[in-house]
Amino acid sequence: DARVTQTPRHKVTEMGQEVTMRCQPILGHNTVFWYRQTMMQGLELLAYFRNRAPLDDSGMPKDRFSAEMPDATLATLKIQPSEPRDSAVYFCASGLGWLRTGNTGELFFGEGSRLTVL
Amino acid sequence: KQEVTQIPAALSVPEGENLVLNCSFTDSAIYNLQWFRQDPGKGLTSLLLIQSSQREQTSGRLNASLDKSSGRSTLYIAASQPGDSATYLCAARFYTGANSKLTFGKGITLSVRP
Repeated sequence: DARVTQTPRHKVTEMGQEVTMRCQPILGHNTVFWYRQTMMQGLELLAYFRNRAPLDDSGMPKDRFSAEMPDATLATLKIQPSEPRDSAVYFCASGLGWLRTGNTGELFFGEGSRLTVL
Repeated sequence: KQEVTQIPAALSVPEGENLVLNCSFTDSAIYNLQWFRQDPGKGLTSLLLIQSSQREQTSGRLNASLDKSSGRSTLYIAASQPGDSATYLCAARFYTGANSKLTFGKGITLSVRP
């Protein structure tokens, strides 16, 4: 059963601490997205990778957030230092490159990592 | 600015009713539009994806349509059931080059009353 796997599912931390969230995309998918969901803003795109290369991280606060793909099976989102306003659910999604012939561009989401920063 | 809007934010209907969820987008140059379902505390589950060349897609009791000229998509749910209660989000992929990304609406929270 192919699915996007995210860890941790829940994280409570104190302001100033470093937080790392991990994502395992569906095997064979070459695009990976990080989204943040809050009640006020809805779903916001933070970062986007294709073939492990970062293509768009314009939605990410650069001073404290960083996103990487060390290899094709792992994507990470790091917040350092964390702040209470970072409290949200962070989703990872993967798919096949939408420009490739035959690919629909459909995205598949993980269950999310719920972050609470006190 | 390319935006996706879903109105109303919440909807409550009695069981058995056929219903339509609306999604509007500001730019007709879209590559595809995807409908998702989100249960409380869960991730997003893909329901239907419509390519720009298509008019509609069907899966079971769900039917999604796309009208690029009017900037609208609808998700039709036939014979609604309490198990359909969830938040439904639509997302459009606009033509902005190779780095095109999905733009989400804020979702419609549906409650189906037994």
